[in-house]
Amino acid sequence: QVQLVESGGGVVQPGRSLRLSCEASGFIFSNSGMHWVRQAPGKGLEWVALISYDGNNKYYADSVKGRFTISRDNSKNTLYLEMNSLRVEDTAVYYCAKDRPSSGYAVFDYWGQGTLVTVSS
Amino acid sequence: QSALTQPASVSGSPGQSITVSCSGSSSDVGGYNYVSWYQQHPGKAPKLMIYEVSNRPSGVPDRFSGSKSGNTASLTISGLQAEDEADYYCCSYTSGSTYALFGGGTKVTVL
Repeated sequence: QVQLVESGGGVVQPGRSLRLSCEASGFIFSNSGMHWVRQAPGKGLEWVALISYDGNNKYYADSVKGRFTISRDNSKNTLYLEMNSLRVEDTAVYYCAKDRPSSGYAVFDYWGQGTLVTVSS
Repeated sequence: QSALTQPASVSGSPGQSITVSCSGSSSDVGGYNYVSWYQQHPGKAPKLMIYEVSNRPSGVPDRFSGSKSGNTASLTISGLQAEDEADYYCCSYTSGSTYALFGGGTKVTVL
């Protein structure tokens, strides 16, 4: 069965960096586009970033453009999110999610359990 | 870009039907048939319920249906059950500066 397991969250001071990981299993990772989606405490979902199946195409939300970098290692079945210049408003649970095969755009068919990032001084 | 607009809450009695709306613009909901809906129970990850406006993934009960008219998409739950009580989020692909927009979420309460 499909499993997505995030890690790397924690408490970090404003302006510092953090790297999240998402280990995938149960599907052919190298065939699937992957996303990060976040949810601030008590708030709604916000799409953050997308990386194509081969890593050649990357897209970002305006709120993180220039600060966050999405990447992947298909040999390790792992997705990453490098977060720099963190702000208090980046505090959220970060989910990784996979593209649904043979579907159009913005269809996230499996999600991880999430990892909490808290930005606070 | 602003999030898609959903009502904060919708409620219904067991067995009734309810509809959750999701309003956007011609750059997102109205311009593409790429609207999806997600169910989220407290403390859990979201679950895909509807994709491409009206398609149901395997395993999702046929009580859940989706539709779209103009710039507004809708999720209908027929024969409401206690386990349907959750938050529901719509999502659309967008041609704007981002890739996807979510709605603010709707809390569905089963009375």
